[in-house]
Amino acid sequence: GAVVSQHPSRVICKSGTSVKIECRSLDFQATTMFWYRQFPKQSLMLMATSNEGSKATYEQGVEKDKFLINHASLTLSTLTVTSAHPEDSSFYICSASTPGGGYTFGSGTRLTVV
Amino acid sequence: KQEVTQIPAALSVPEGENLVLNCSFTDSAIYNLQWFRQDPGKGLTSLLLIQSSQREQTSGRLNASLDKSSGRSTLYIAASQPGDSATYLCAVNTDTGRRALTFGSGTRLQVQP
Repeated sequence: GAVVSQHPSRVICKSGTSVKIECRSLDFQATTMFWYRQFPKQSLMLMATSNEGSKATYEQGVEKDKFLINHASLTLSTLTVTSAHPEDSSFYICSASTPGGGYTFGSGTRLTVV
Repeated sequence: KQEVTQIPAALSVPEGENLVLNCSFTDSAIYNLQWFRQDPGKGLTSLLLIQSSQREQTSGRLNASLDKSSGRSTLYIAASQPGDSATYLCAVNTDTGRRALTFGSGTRLQVQP
């Protein structure tokens, strides 16, 4: 139980275009989801906290106009990277807190901006 | 601000060895601590979750302990296997109300056949 599905797993886009990443909780309701970013051989850094029905809370240094987060339902949160640039290339992972008190993670999205 | 440190950063052992991965955190006011496994290019798989009131959790060959007062946790892997090769991440849920995890930088484990 407590599975989070993340799509796509890989995406390559041209510089200047936008990319949307979806994160779905399959068998539970997630009022709060979290979006992380991971650079090669580094740990996960929290980007923002996504709350169903309200605005996301962004961490310091994360541009909210560049990384648009929408959490319109209890099972879906989306992260849109707008006007992507090569420096946005990274591994993005979503997470949700589970009824048992822990956290479950999506399988991640490898974004490459060319 | 919570900081999580993992030692060692990398570890290479022969198959069959028992090993210990260490995690320390600076703020002892935590809700829980969770150990994850990450394979290259993949997401995170939860291994063990320890609530702040617990001392340890076990799952198969894995045992995680928690000493909240000293800000330490260890992950013990018994009889290591090549399939255990991965990066192991320690993460704490701090009592700040934000309910987001703070991660350590991980330990990259290589088990040699």
